[in-house]
Amino acid sequence: AQSVTQLDSQVPVFEEAPVELRCNYSSSVSVYLFWYVQYPNQGLQLLLKYLSGSTLVKGINGFEAEFNKSQTSFHLRKPSVHISDTAEYFCAVSFSRRALTFGSGTRLQVQP
Amino acid sequence: EPEVTQTPSHQVTQMGQEVILRCVPISNHLYFYWYRQILGQKVEFLVSFYNNEISEKSEIFDDQFSVERPDGSNFTLKIRSTKLEDSAMYFCASRQEAWSYTFGSGTRLTVV
Repeated sequence: AQSVTQLDSQVPVFEEAPVELRCNYSSSVSVYLFWYVQYPNQGLQLLLKYLSGSTLVKGINGFEAEFNKSQTSFHLRKPSVHISDTAEYFCAVSFSRRALTFGSGTRLQVQP
Repeated sequence: EPEVTQTPSHQVTQMGQEVILRCVPISNHLYFYWYRQILGQKVEFLVSFYNNEISEKSEIFDDQFSVERPDGSNFTLKIRSTKLEDSAMYFCASRQEAWSYTFGSGTRLTVV
């Protein structure tokens, strides 16, 4: 079965520290991979996506993610977080070019 | 930057009533979607629409739901007889051939 797993429901981190939000998927078919951010009471904003090519993808707001096909992972990283990065982060996968399947989300809480 | 516009932002309806959620996708986009997010849960796919017909739908999208693109600009989701469990944030999204979804800010539906 095709699924998307975000292993951490909450990640607390201090300001200016690095962070990694984990995403794994289960699939034997081709995938497109996405990370979205949701600020309180707002919609979903695309951070970055992987369709093909270089496995290291850079996105907005200093975020990057690396596609690891053997590990079926697409972890999101930022070397130094800010208070303003506090939000919910969703990993999403398109299996065989179908509609997006979202993970359960990770709440990033940046503390001063 | 082009936006996906959703109206209303919040709708309260009585159980058993019909509701129509409205969306104006980005004008040159070809694919249209509805997703929902029950409070505190992950974003779930409902339906996709392309070339004036449903291209994909989830198990959630049963006979109580329907979608329509009545003119060249609007994309609507109708729930015929609302249930308490339909209470959620409903997101509309659109994209071109390239895999960059743009999500609207959502309509919060509250069924009482």
